[in-house]
Amino acid sequence: GAVVSQHPSWVICKSGTSVKIECRSLDFQATTMFWYRQFPKQSLMLMATSNEGSKATYEQGVEKDKFLINHASLTLSTLTVTSAHPEDSSFYICSAPDATNEKLFFGSGTQLSVL
Amino acid sequence: DAKTTQPTSMDCAEGRAANLPCNHSTISGNEYVYWYRQIHSQGPQYIIHGLKNNETNEMASLIITEDRKSSTLILPHATLRDTAVYYCILEGLNRDDKIIFGKGTRLHILP
Repeated sequence: GAVVSQHPSWVICKSGTSVKIECRSLDFQATTMFWYRQFPKQSLMLMATSNEGSKATYEQGVEKDKFLINHASLTLSTLTVTSAHPEDSSFYICSAPDATNEKLFFGSGTQLSVL
Repeated sequence: DAKTTQPTSMDCAEGRAANLPCNHSTISGNEYVYWYRQIHSQGPQYIIHGLKNNETNEMASLIITEDRKSSTLILPHATLRDTAVYYCILEGLNRDDKIIFGKGTRLHILP
């Protein structure tokens, strides 16, 4: 079945630094990928829709200059958390619809801790 | 906002069938009912989906009422590894449409 690989699984960084998270579709092409954020014991919150070759679409309240999304190829989307602060600490998850367009496949998530 | 409502939590004994309900009274004609689950500290996993007919796969069965306003996910023989948060979601035919997650049902399988 389709696989979405997300890297890294966890990252600890100092406040003020930037962190890049990668999301790859391993055996299928994804023109669209979705980025979610999840705080402890809460549901997934959609942050943005990543579109290959064009600008991402951000949800209301999500700062596009803080959460930079790049979808330069059909198999890779990246989320960069710029100038991270402790309140950005969260579980970040990416997803992509498979080639049949029937199902969403999710990465394993990235736990970000900002000190 | 999510268009589905689910119980916050449920318990089920290991080996028994787990029946998870979902209400979606405002479902539109072109929306499918999808179920995903999220095991602790992992990304969600697709389980099953359907439009109006009942569906079954190797993981679960999905029962959709005739008026499509509610559905039930059935795990026929629950195991401890089925402990997870289960999300019932409505998705349109365009798979590029964004998916909004509700709060889901936290299912505890009891030994």
